[in-house]
Amino acid sequence: GQNIDQPTEMTATEGAIVQINCTYQTSGFNGLFWYQQHAGEAPTFLSYNVLDGLEEKGRFSSFLSRSKGYSYLLLKELQMKDSASYLCAVLDSNYQLIWGAGTKLIIKP
Amino acid sequence: GAVVSQHPSWVICKSGTSVKIECRSLDFQATTMFWYRQFPKQSLMLMATSNEGSKATYEQGVEKDKFLINHASLTLSTLTVTSAHPEDSSFYICSATTGGSSYNEQFFGPGTRLTVL
Repeated sequence: GQNIDQPTEMTATEGAIVQINCTYQTSGFNGLFWYQQHAGEAPTFLSYNVLDGLEEKGRFSSFLSRSKGYSYLLLKELQMKDSASYLCAVLDSNYQLIWGAGTKLIIKP
Repeated sequence: GAVVSQHPSWVICKSGTSVKIECRSLDFQATTMFWYRQFPKQSLMLMATSNEGSKATYEQGVEKDKFLINHASLTLSTLTVTSAHPEDSSFYICSATTGGSSYNEQFFGPGTRLTVL
């Protein structure tokens, strides 16, 4: 079966750095997405990785290792507004998005 | 660009009634639209995929006669929850892609919160 694992919840301090991991086992791979979802709102796109390596975009970076079936989202200089759920999703061989359950990130002052 | 709207944002209805949710791509033509359902503290669950002018493809376990999807134009898809029951109460989100390439970012609508009494 297809499976995406990410921690259920993480806590970090304002101004610090946090890394949210995602491991996947899917039938084929056509890219991995990270989305941010605030409570009661729809997901918003953060990043897309299809090649190995690190993609940096401002305070957020996303890393992919296809051989390990592993990705992480790195958030720097955390702000209170970063409190949200972070969803990892993989595009499988049929170009269907397989969603992880999401990681709820709690930022403390 | 790539804005997707949904209407209504929230709806409360009585059990047994039908509810229609609209999903519109405002500034692009969406060849494919997706309908998701999300229960509290759970991830998105894909319900169906619809392509303009053709029948929707439903995921396993989703009743196509209960969740009617119409994708009549390149900018509009509708989801009708027929004979709604309290267990249908959920957050319904649509997304749209532009098509034309192997990688198609999904642009999400703001979601519709349905409460069935």
